[in-house]
Amino acid sequence: AQKVTQAQTEISVVEKEDVTLDCVYETRDTTYYLFWYKQPPSGELVFLIRRNSFDEQNEISGRYSWNFQKSTSSFNFTITASQVVDSAVYFCALSANFGNEKLTFGTGTRLTIIP
Amino acid sequence: DTGVSQNPRHKITKRGQNVTFRCDPISEHNRLYWYRQTLGQGPEFLTYFQNEAQLEKSRLLSDRFSAERPKGSFSTLEIQRTEQGDSAMYLCASSQMTSGSYNEQFFGPGTRLTVL
Repeated sequence: AQKVTQAQTEISVVEKEDVTLDCVYETRDTTYYLFWYKQPPSGELVFLIRRNSFDEQNEISGRYSWNFQKSTSSFNFTITASQVVDSAVYFCALSANFGNEKLTFGTGTRLTIIP
Repeated sequence: DTGVSQNPRHKITKRGQNVTFRCDPISEHNRLYWYRQTLGQGPEFLTYFQNEAQLEKSRLLSDRFSAERPKGSFSTLEIQRTEQGDSAMYLCASSQMTSGSYNEQFFGPGTRLTVL
């Protein structure tokens, strides 16, 4: 069975601070994909990143960066110099094989950026 | 607009009534997924199709739920004899399945169901 745990239910930071969202996963598959999605107040899930289980390189995209550590089964997401527009619920998700199978989501972390 | 669309966006119904939701995927996508999201939770997988074939159903999908994708294009999700516990956001996603490569799922805006 697959499981994704996002222990942080809610986080509030002041604008321009850095913030890290934690994600821990469980799977028996040797090949899998990890994802982060953003769900703004409008409700539509927005894809942010995917990472396959063979690629442990960290990735940076603008103010966003991701730290994948297979040894600790974690896939953490950091926002640098946070902005009010970053306020949303963020979900970490897991999928088997090539990622064309069902997604198993965590319970999400609600991030509030205080102006 | 070429994204995933869902109709209606909101549905309020009385307990015991039947409801049907529609999802139109991105036109060239052969895979279509249904998820359910309750308040404060992440989306939970319900079922998915490849073209018109329903390939997997979650245990969450009770006998009161049925999904179809008759021509491999749009899909419908019907809930019979609705219960208050069915109140949730129903999300549809689509992707293009190609052998040996990954294509992410694109989500629609969801249909919010409220059962009174």
